[in-house]
Amino acid sequence: DAGVIQSPRHEVTEMGQEVTLRCKPISGHNSLFWYRQTMMRGLELLIYFNNNVPIDDSGMPEDRFSAKMPNASFSTLKIQPSEPRDSAVYFCASSFSSGNSYEQYFGPGTRLTVT
Amino acid sequence: GQQLNQSPQSMFIQEGEDVSMNCTSSSIFNTWLWYKQEPGEGPVLLIALYKAGELTSNGRLTAQFGITRKDSFLNISASIPSDVGIYFCAGQLLKLGGGGTSYGKVTFGQGTILTVHP
Repeated sequence: DAGVIQSPRHEVTEMGQEVTLRCKPISGHNSLFWYRQTMMRGLELLIYFNNNVPIDDSGMPEDRFSAKMPNASFSTLKIQPSEPRDSAVYFCASSFSSGNSYEQYFGPGTRLTVT
Repeated sequence: GQQLNQSPQSMFIQEGEDVSMNCTSSSIFNTWLWYKQEPGEGPVLLIALYKAGELTSNGRLTAQFGITRKDSFLNISASIPSDVGIYFCAGQLLKLGGGGTSYGKVTFGQGTILTVHP
């Protein structure tokens, strides 16, 4: 079974450029999460969707960040314009919420470097 | 918001030793999860706990959901070199949504870096 798929795996860009990260959740899962991981702050939840609807975006750092989930099998996280402090590993995770089950499965991550 | 304190921050042990790590929270959760992350990869779910007092094993791993619902521990018995990685606890407070679904924000601990010397 395919797990969560993220692309690209690595992204190097210059400050001011637009960056789009992509995620394909596990088929059948109805919740999707975007996380950012840095040494200083650990794993931070940026936003999560339930049935394609954003439920909690309180972790989105600022207006430069936006996320969309146009359908159940695809989501994007966009940073425009990017800044060096956005350098981090960005993870997408998905889960199927049913009763007590809410186990998240993570993708391999996208390592973003903004110079 | 909810805060998780995970300890220890790092551990250096000899192969064969047992390992114990724990997480405490300032408020209750109704789900506790333990993940392991290896370099260059995303966290992988090890154990999920859903009931206060629940004790669950997965091979050499054992985790418990504290009675107060504010803490959890993970034990690894007879450690081996491939146990190396960062272990994260995560707590979740589920809320009921429409249509019988449930959702909730997951809060992660800071991680425990485990190094196992052969």
